[in-house]
Amino acid sequence: AQKVTQAQTEISVVEKEDVTLDCVYETRDTTYYLFWYKQPPSGELVFLIRRNSFDEQNEISGRYSWNFQKSTSSFNFTITASQVVDSAVYFCALSGTDSWGKFQFGAGTQVVVTP
Amino acid sequence: DAGVTQSPTHLIKTRGQHVTLRCSPISGHKSVSWYQQVLGQGPQFIFQYYEKEERGRGNFPDRFSARQFPNYSSELNVNALLLGDSALYLCASSLIGGSSYEQYFGPGTRLTVT
Repeated sequence: AQKVTQAQTEISVVEKEDVTLDCVYETRDTTYYLFWYKQPPSGELVFLIRRNSFDEQNEISGRYSWNFQKSTSSFNFTITASQVVDSAVYFCALSGTDSWGKFQFGAGTQVVVTP
Repeated sequence: DAGVTQSPTHLIKTRGQHVTLRCSPISGHKSVSWYQQVLGQGPQFIFQYYEKEERGRGNFPDRFSARQFPNYSSELNVNALLLGDSALYLCASSLIGGSSYEQYFGPGTRLTVT
């Protein structure tokens, strides 16, 4: 069975602070994929990144960066110099080759950025 | 380019009724997945359809069914509605079926069962 744990329910920061969201996963698949999505108050899930299990390179996209560590089954997400527009719920998700099309989502982390 | 579209936006139904939700994928995408998101939780996988066939099913009762049409749009049907079916229903499309491609989500249909 697959499982995604986002232990942080809510994180509150002041604008320009960095914020790191934790994601720990469990899977028996040897090939799997990890994703991050953003859900602003409007409700629509926005795709941020996909990472496959064979690619452990960290990635940076603007103020966003991701740290994938297979050894600890973690795929953490950092927002640098946070802005009010970053306020949203962020979900980590996992899919595997044995679970056709099924994305297993974590419970999400609410990020609140105040001016 | 248009994203994933869903209709209706909001829906209020009574227990025991039936509901049909609709989804149009991104142009060129052949796979549609459905998720249920209860307030305060992450989305839960219901179905994935690819090339008009059901390819994956989550842990939902038989009251939930879906289909995909030749133009790749999809319908989700829920029979004998229960109060617990109140949720945001999300449709997602991807280029092809399977687990390796990112899924792009629509704005959702907010279903309230009274």
